[in-house]
Amino acid sequence: ETGVTQTPRHLVMGMTNKKSLKCEQHLGHNAMYWYKQSAKKPLELMFVYSLEERVENNSVPSRFSPECPNSSHLFLHLHTLQPEDSALYLCASSPGTGGSSGANVLTFGAGSRLTVL
Amino acid sequence: RKEVEQDPGPFNVPEGATVAFNCTYSNSASQSFFWYRQDCRKEPKLLMSVYSSGNEDGRFTAQLNRASQYISLLIRDSKLSDSATYLCVVTSDTGRRALTFGSGTRLQVQP
Repeated sequence: ETGVTQTPRHLVMGMTNKKSLKCEQHLGHNAMYWYKQSAKKPLELMFVYSLEERVENNSVPSRFSPECPNSSHLFLHLHTLQPEDSALYLCASSPGTGGSSGANVLTFGAGSRLTVL
Repeated sequence: RKEVEQDPGPFNVPEGATVAFNCTYSNSASQSFFWYRQDCRKEPKLLMSVYSSGNEDGRFTAQLNRASQYISLLIRDSKLSDSATYLCVVTSDTGRRALTFGSGTRLQVQP
């Protein structure tokens, strides 16, 4: 496996369910990200992890809970979601963070399309 | 004001046409600039970085105007395969800051 892999690709869940999205990167990168993409809206940054430490959390509701057990794996735990949380959730990784040349160039996974009923 | 603004389009152009997209950004401290491409129902992929002096990659030319805080992308000799959404992306060098994406400009190249 190469690149950034996300599972599941599609998920349908009820508002009372608990589920998790998984992301794995095989690029040797040190930073991983969760983005949310809703229709006709720009990608919204949710969380950033650098060397397994959460370095950015953009006012995301607590029903989304990230976990980064190591620099290659990232999870997004979901519970009691709302229908407006239906979106494409994209995981990405980069060599590092910050502004140095190339450090923050993102490689995305194919995304997990979530539907909340 | 949005951090990164783009004309959503769509831009409908014939094959072989030259098309240009502009993007403005609000944070004057932004240091890194990129164009990403996103095909329908796929993930975004890096198209090219944008350097201060401007840069070219085949049919694609990117320009940066720091004084006016805008970035442009020029596509020459459009191909059907260029049909996609083009995302303007900027970042700040102040501490750890992930990329901020524009909403994208949709391009449809027609035969």
